[in-house]
Amino acid sequence: NAGVTQTPKFRVLKTGQSMTLLCAQDMNHEYMYWYRQDPGMGLRLIHYSVGEGTTAKGEVPDGYNVSRLKKQNFLLGLESAAPSQTSVYFCASGMAPQWEQFFGPGTRLTVL
Amino acid sequence: RKEVEQDPGPFNVPEGATVAFNCTYSNSASQSFFWYRQDCRKEPKLLMSVYSSGNEDGRFTAQLNRASQYISLLIRDSKLSDSATYLCVVMETSYDKVIFGPGTSLSVIP
Repeated sequence: NAGVTQTPKFRVLKTGQSMTLLCAQDMNHEYMYWYRQDPGMGLRLIHYSVGEGTTAKGEVPDGYNVSRLKKQNFLLGLESAAPSQTSVYFCASGMAPQWEQFFGPGTRLTVL
Repeated sequence: RKEVEQDPGPFNVPEGATVAFNCTYSNSASQSFFWYRQDCRKEPKLLMSVYSSGNEDGRFTAQLNRASQYISLLIRDSKLSDSATYLCVVMETSYDKVIFGPGTSLSVIP
């Protein structure tokens, strides 16, 4: 099993460009999450999903959109990138009742 | 007050030492607690869940004090490979409220 994979691993964008980050999991988990991690801030939840076709906002959703058309995939979109979105983005999946979250390797995004 | 706070780091300890980390949380209704480990430039990985009665996994012991709203992690006989950042994680009443602490950095020195 690959676990949780993320594409791409690195990306540099110019302000105003758009992109989509792809997260895929092969553990049949119901829940999927997108976080961003900034120095000294810890991980902050952007959006999450409790199942195929559902999405919800987390702590810092502004500037991002998500979709979960298939259970195994969770996409994070940036419609118009801003320098404040420079960060490391982690995707995670999990399920009840253990609630352990399995993380992907991360995407390092720089917005110039 | 931040929702989840951790001891400021870094902790620099010699091999074989015992080190303890504390974490405090603000919501008394929080239900689930975890310690994750994150190596430099890597993804977080679950170290252990924290149960009300306390639990141990080899050299690692986790304790929960609901009355005082803190969690602790004790590492005995520190190894070089324990060097990492340790993240305290609190899940409130539902799956959508998972809060990560900022982490505490540990360096184990030969």
